[in-house]
Amino acid sequence: GEDVEQSLFLSVREGDSSVINCTYTDSSSTYLYWYKQEPGAGLQLLTYIFSNMDMKQDQRLTVLLNKKDKHLSLRIADTQTGDSAIYFCAETPSLSGNTGKLIFGQGTTLQVKP
Amino acid sequence: DGGITQSPKYLFRKEGQNVTLSCEQNLNHDAMYWYRQDPGQGLRLIYYSQIVNDFQKGDIAEGYSVSREKKESFPLTVTSAQKNPTAFYLCASSTTGGISPLHFGNGTRLTVT
Repeated sequence: GEDVEQSLFLSVREGDSSVINCTYTDSSSTYLYWYKQEPGAGLQLLTYIFSNMDMKQDQRLTVLLNKKDKHLSLRIADTQTGDSAIYFCAETPSLSGNTGKLIFGQGTTLQVKP
Repeated sequence: DGGITQSPKYLFRKEGQNVTLSCEQNLNHDAMYWYRQDPGQGLRLIYYSQIVNDFQKGDIAEGYSVSREKKESFPLTVTSAQKNPTAFYLCASSTTGGISPLHFGNGTRLTVT
């Protein structure tokens, strides 16, 4: 079945770059998403990438997709303390049809030290 | 402002009681979803609905029920049959077709003792 895996924790210093990694199993995924969750809140969509793209940049965020290895990464440049949150990778599985269902990873907790 | 409203933010119940979580959206989205979040397990889909008066079970539907009588509303009932109901519950909505990212509410934390 479909599965999405992420490491659980990442700690960086303020001003450094953060790289959060994700692997997925469904090679026919159409869209892959990154969401951010702050404590006690819902998930906020950060960015997404279509499966025929290799890279997408949006201000401080860079998404890299390696379709051969089924590997997705999110790079946050000049990480700030306000970036501390849980980051979720999600895919649209090929068997979902038009339902909009997403498969989520476990989430990576990013800790930014001043 | 358009968005998804979940209420209440915190809910406490005794074991054996049913409880209903509210979710309302004014984004004019056709599809709505309920996810459950437990620490270290990510989000798991409980139920989803693509159209009024129709809904489907997700991966962990046992012990839960939903209704979709109006486009804007998708309430979730946690029944006494749910073995481990204490969790953070997230409601989401989306358009259907093409790029349809989920838009989430701020969640309801349910504690059952």
